[in-house]
Amino acid sequence: AQSVAQPEDQVNVAEGNPLTVKCTYSVSGNPYLFWYVQYPNRGLQFLLKYITGDNLVKGSYGFEAEFNKSQTSFHLKKPSALVSDSALYFCAVRPQDSSYKLIFGSGTRLLVRP
Amino acid sequence: GAVVSQHPSWVICKSGTSVKIECRSLDFQATTMFWYRQFPKQSLMLMATSNEGSKATYEQGVEKDKFLINHASLTLSTLTVTSAHPEDSSFYICSASLRIGEQYFGPGTRLTVT
Repeated sequence: AQSVAQPEDQVNVAEGNPLTVKCTYSVSGNPYLFWYVQYPNRGLQFLLKYITGDNLVKGSYGFEAEFNKSQTSFHLKKPSALVSDSALYFCAVRPQDSSYKLIFGSGTRLLVRP
Repeated sequence: GAVVSQHPSWVICKSGTSVKIECRSLDFQATTMFWYRQFPKQSLMLMATSNEGSKATYEQGVEKDKFLINHASLTLSTLTVTSAHPEDSSFYICSASLRIGEQYFGPGTRLTVT
């Protein structure tokens, strides 16, 4: 079965420190990969995507993600965390054979302490 | 660009009544719209995929007679929760697809059934 795993329910980091939110996937073919962020009682906001090309993708608000095909991972990173980055982050995958459907991970809550 | 709106943002209704939620793509024509349901502290669950002018495709386990979806135009899709019950209380999120694999999400509608 195709799936997306976000192994950490919550990630805690101090402001100014680098952050990583992990995501691994299990899908057939060459998937499209996405990261979204959700603030309380809001819909999801697009952060970045990987379709093809450079494995390091840069997105909104200083976030980036690295696609690793051999490890089937797409970890989200930011060199210096801000308190305002505290939110719920979702990794999503669109399998190559999918008709626009996205498979979401369970979400990781990021808490950046001052 | 690529803004999706939802109306209402929150609604409270009595058990047994029906509620309609609108999803609009404001500045683009969406090939496909999606409806998701999100329970507290959980990921998004895809309910159905909606294409303009055709019947929606429902995910397994989603009652199509209870969750009526109408995709009247390339910029509007509606979800009607019929004969709502307290267990239908949830956060409903729509998204619209502009480019391959990329979905833009609405801000969500919180439904509370009393």
